[in-house]
Amino acid sequence: NAGVTQTPKFRVLKTGQSMTLLCAQDMNHEYMYWYRQDPGMGLRLIHYSVGEGTTAKGEVPDGYNVSRLKKQNFLLGLESAAPSQTSVYFCASSYVQHGFTGELFFGEGSRLTVL
Amino acid sequence: KNQVEQSPQSLIILEGKNCTLQCNYTVSPFSNLRWYKQDTGRGPVSLTIMTFSENTKSNGRYTATLDADTKQSSLHITASQLSDSASYICVVSAKVDSNYQLIWGAGTKLIIKP
Repeated sequence: NAGVTQTPKFRVLKTGQSMTLLCAQDMNHEYMYWYRQDPGMGLRLIHYSVGEGTTAKGEVPDGYNVSRLKKQNFLLGLESAAPSQTSVYFCASSYVQHGFTGELFFGEGSRLTVL
Repeated sequence: KNQVEQSPQSLIILEGKNCTLQCNYTVSPFSNLRWYKQDTGRGPVSLTIMTFSENTKSNGRYTATLDADTKQSSLHITASQLSDSASYICVVSAKVDSNYQLIWGAGTKLIIKP
């Protein structure tokens, strides 16, 4: 009953460093998403994927890259971290396209601090 | 511009009391509205979904309402428990061409005191 698993859960980076967040889901969902959550704001979509080998930009994609080489995994990369990328990152998956009555299943989040 | 506004931003009530959280939206064209519960340090979990034709839906002690004319939704919690302490997030779906866009509210932080 793992659902959506994110690693790592916490990370501290220095400005300019790079890192990758890993998301894995065991529900055989086609759709996967990366969101960021900042205080006082709604969740913001960074990138999403509608199936293995596909990716698309969301609302705030700048500074991030993603890859979905396997259906169950969705990776979020930061090429050159900036303090503005300090946030809590959530991965989610869904069986049908988000918004089409489809429920999103979220991971527990990855808290990233960029110094 | 599509927006979702939630009120209040935060709320403190005593255990056993009832409360109502509000969600107002200016989203067009409306597809559906969903409420999520987010415990501290966890990801959001869906509580219920409201479609255009639904006015009221209950899930245990949670009752959601939708007024599509005034573009308002509420989440009523009855006989609150300590485990209800969480953030409650309203998200509205808009269908744009063949795609769906989710517009998220900032959430209401609810604290239940014993």
